[in-house]
Formats: sequence, structure tokens, C-alpha cells
Amino acid sequence: DGGITQSPKYLFRKEGQNVTLSCEQNLNHDAMYWYRQDPGQGLRLIYYSQIVNDFQKGDIAEGYSVSREKKESFPLTVTSAQKNPTAFYLCASSITSTNTGELFFGEGSRLTVL
Amino acid sequence: EDQVTQSPEALRLQEGESSSLNCSYTVSGLRGLFWYRQDPGKGPEFLFTLYSAGEEKEKERLKATLTKKESFLHITAPKPEDSATYLCAVHNFNKFYFGSGTKLNVKP
Repeated sequence: DGGITQSPKYLFRKEGQNVTLSCEQNLNHDAMYWYRQDPGQGLRLIYYSQIVNDFQKGDIAEGYSVSREKKESFPLTVTSAQKNPTAFYLCASSITSTNTGELFFGEGSRLTVL
Repeated sequence: EDQVTQSPEALRLQEGESSSLNCSYTVSGLRGLFWYRQDPGKGPEFLFTLYSAGEEKEKERLKATLTKKESFLHITAPKPEDSATYLCAVHNFNKFYFGSGTKLNVKP
């Protein structure tokens, strides 16, 4: 079955550590996205990629980095520069970024800072 | 300012008690309005897309409608398994704007 796989589901980070969240899709979608979800807030866009080897900052990119070396993969690194990283992170994809179709979401990764 | 507002924040219903969730938006250039269901600790699951005012979509006990500045998600005779957070999103060119969701709790 086609879909989006995020791993790990739960992740713990110590102060000063970088951590990487994995996102893989087999939907053959061009566009991929990373969102952050905090209680009582709407999803906020961190980064998005419209095509391989290209990505753009979203609304809250500070303290995060991404890469898009393969169409199927869009990993997110939460760096030590991100001061409040505890959140639920969602990866999504769509056919293209300008297509009016829906976003498909992964199951999410919950990051907790110890 | 482009934004999406959902109300109420939380809604508690008895099983069989019909109600509606609201999604109002000030986003210009609507290209699509989306409803998602999200269970605790899970990713959002797509429900409906609406593209123009007057459009309606139905799925089991759920019906979504769209006017020029808001959308409603009507829930008819809900069951406990309908308990979840319902998210609304508006697509504008190449960006999605999300509301903060309505948390629905249906008691048996």
C-alpha cells in the first residue's frame, strides 16, 4: 500500500543534541512538507520541497534543516539551535505543490527534550 | 491577515445528538478547503475537499458544506467512534493554512 512512513514514532533529545526524523513516501509525489503541531495551535510549516534537490523555508524554519536527495525521502534535522523542540512533527506529501489536491500525512513523530 | 479559525475548540455530544463544526477563513484566493480527522497520537486522515461555494460532500455520518467565507462539518447521529479532532485547512496557491481544530467527544 502507498503511503508515508515516519520514524521514529517517539524520540528523546538531550540539550545540545541534533536529532533527525525520517520521512519516506512511495506515492510518487513531487512535493513534501514538514509541519510542527503544538497543543491548541494549527499545523505550522517548517520546510517544504517541490522537487528533488530543492527546498524552501516555511514559517518556522529557524533551528531546523532538511535535505531532499531522493524523491522518496525528506529527512528533518532538529538542531541544538531550536530552543523549544518538544512537539509532534508531521511529514506530508502532495502530487505537486501547486496541485489543488490534498496533503497525505504520515503517522507523526513525537520529540521530547529531556 | 490570512488565517483559518475553527469553532468551537471542543464539543461534547451524546451519542445520536447531531451538531456542526465551523471553519471560517480570511485566506484570499481559495483553491480548496480540506477537512481532516486526527486521532490522538496519529497523523491527520483526509476526509473531504471542497472547491467552490455551494459545494457539498458526504461520507457516512459526515457532511461538509462550503460558503464564500466558511465551511461547516455536519455530524448526524454521531457515534463514540466519531470522537477525534477535526482539522480544517485552506489551500492558497502553494500554501496550506490550518485551523487549530475542534476536539469532538461523543459519549455513549
